[in-house]
Amino acid sequence: KAGVTQTPRYLIKTRGQQVTLSCSPISGHRSVSWYQQTPGQGLQFLFEYFSETQRNKGNFPGRFSGRQFSNSRSEMNVSTLELGDSALYLCASSLLTSSETQYFGPGTRLLVL
Amino acid sequence: GENVEQHPSTLSVQEGDSAVIKCTYSDSASNYFPWYKQELGKRPQLIIDIRSNVGEKKDQRIAVTLNKTAKHFSLHITETQPEDSAVYFCAPLSGGSYIPTFGRGTSLIVHP
Repeated sequence: KAGVTQTPRYLIKTRGQQVTLSCSPISGHRSVSWYQQTPGQGLQFLFEYFSETQRNKGNFPGRFSGRQFSNSRSEMNVSTLELGDSALYLCASSLLTSSETQYFGPGTRLLVL
Repeated sequence: GENVEQHPSTLSVQEGDSAVIKCTYSDSASNYFPWYKQELGKRPQLIIDIRSNVGEKKDQRIAVTLNKTAKHFSLHITETQPEDSAVYFCAPLSGGSYIPTFGRGTSLIVHP
């Protein structure tokens, strides 16, 4: 099976812009979770989607949002970008829940100038 | 929310030595305890996990032990090899919120 894929891999934006990241899970996986990884804060959970519904949400401001499509592909959007949003954004998929083995994608590295 | 602490933050060993990384958590309802390995520039990968009804699990050179009473679980790597060099993360899953909280990571360096 093909692994989790994420696009784009690298992105440079300026403050105030918005960005959309995409994640394609492993075929058959229905749960997609998003994480932000920074040197200062480590790996932090953003949200999880299952069957096109947000099932869990971490402690991030409303500028961070996401959605999931009927084919389980997911997108996350960050509006009004801030310098502190510069990070590696990882998505992970699992069959049904985040309490099963999660398979991570390669990540999207976002740089906000 | 769950408080997770991981120790040590850096661990340097000689090839062939054993390495132990400890993860403490605060949520007594946590019921899933995975360990992830992230090599430089790569994605995190699950290397071993354990559930709350099991005290120990082993997979070749890697083992995880769980002490639910003391609320900690540990990763044990025996006969370390240079390719074990990476950052290791614990991520206990809260039984109530189902939100994984990652530890800050342990950088393991195995010297040949």
